[in-house]
Amino acid sequence: QVQLVESGGGVVQPGGSLRLSCAASGFTFSSYGMHWVRQAPGKGLEWVAFIRYDGSNKYYADSVKGRFTISRDNSKNTLYLQMNSLRAEDTAVYYCAKDGDYGGNSNFDYWGQGTLVTVSS
Amino acid sequence: SYELTQPPSVSVSPGQTARITCSGDALPKQYAYWYQQKPGQAPVLVIYKDSERPSGIPERFSGSSSGTTVTLTISGVQAEDEADYYCQSADSSGTFYVVFGGGTKLTVL
Repeated sequence: QVQLVESGGGVVQPGGSLRLSCAASGFTFSSYGMHWVRQAPGKGLEWVAFIRYDGSNKYYADSVKGRFTISRDNSKNTLYLQMNSLRAEDTAVYYCAKDGDYGGNSNFDYWGQGTLVTVSS
Repeated sequence: SYELTQPPSVSVSPGQTARITCSGDALPKQYAYWYQQKPGQAPVLVIYKDSERPSGIPERFSGSSSGTTVTLTISGVQAEDEADYYCQSADSSGTFYVVFGGGTKLTVL
């Protein structure tokens, strides 16, 4: 079965950096685009970034553009999110999600359980 | 910017029908997807491409589309359906974007 397991969350000071990882299993990782989606405490879902199956294209939400970098290692079945210049408003649970098999444009058919990032001094 | 608008809350009694709307100018051109999220859990896809239901999702969940509004309908609501529901859409034909609605809290009275 599909499994997505995030790691790397924690407490970081404003202006600091953190790298999240997402270990994937149960599907052919190298055949699918992958997303990061976040959810601030008590708030709604916010799409963060997307990377195509081969890493050829990457897209970002305006709120993180220039500060966050999405990447992947298909040999390790792992997705990453490098987060720099972190701000208090980046505090959230970060989910990795598999791009859906259901056609149309981007959607999410499997999600990890999330990792909490807290930006605070 | 591209936005999706949902009502913050909907309340129904058990056995009744709940309808959650999602409005957006691009919805006539792009598919909508619906997710259910229970407290402390990751979201789960319940409707894709406006009205299709993934395997394993109960038949009481259905979706429809009309113009700039899509609707998630839950027939015969059960207590276990109490959750937050999010609509979502995307476009990759021009400027790539993915957007969620603000979410609707469904309360089963």
